[in-house]
Amino acid sequence: GENVEQHPSTLSVQEGDSAVIKCTYSDSASNYFPWYKQELGKGPQLIIDIRSNVGEKKDQRIAVTLNKTAKHFSLHITETQPEDSAVYFCAASIGDSTLTFGKGTMLLVSP
Amino acid sequence: GAVVSQHPSRVICKSGTSVKIECRSLDFQATTMFWYRQFPKQSLMLMATSNEGSKATYEQGVEKDKFLINHASLTLSTLTVTSAHPEDSSFYICSARDVAKNIQYFGAGTRLSVL
Repeated sequence: GENVEQHPSTLSVQEGDSAVIKCTYSDSASNYFPWYKQELGKGPQLIIDIRSNVGEKKDQRIAVTLNKTAKHFSLHITETQPEDSAVYFCAASIGDSTLTFGKGTMLLVSP
Repeated sequence: GAVVSQHPSRVICKSGTSVKIECRSLDFQATTMFWYRQFPKQSLMLMATSNEGSKATYEQGVEKDKFLINHASLTLSTLTVTSAHPEDSSFYICSARDVAKNIQYFGAGTRLSVL
């Protein structure tokens, strides 16, 4: 089955810096890659996703890149703010199959 | 965007009692919903896939008689933790798939504490 590796497990940045979280997947048939943000005590919230027919997608300060050849995808957050502090999960799936999640990255943005 | 509503957000119960958690899709019909369990500082662990009008599909190691799932309508799935014990204390999260968009949305989670 699919295996998703996520790095780093923790990431500390200063407000205004950029943050990058990377994930690799094992099944080359995977074609859907969402990113979720989970704040303490809450459910995960979808922040951006990408499908395998595109290489990059941006939404304001957030961007995701996909390299199908290398089987990795990354989340980029620019101009980080303290409210970006949370745990971020990447995931992968084939079509409408169940999502396989990474282990999460705890992002801490210091003022 | 789409919203998935999960209730209750927090429940404290005595050992041996049963607890029901509801998950509703508010903006779309969900033929498939999912139930996850999350331990502190860990990722989401899929417990079961709930299919409208049919039996749920449980992941290996999850007791189907312990965690009863009902998906009676296209907008509602319920998880009942039967005869709860302290080791069942955890954060339970549901999600629903919007088939039209192939996007999975999550509820806010339920913190279960069994005394």
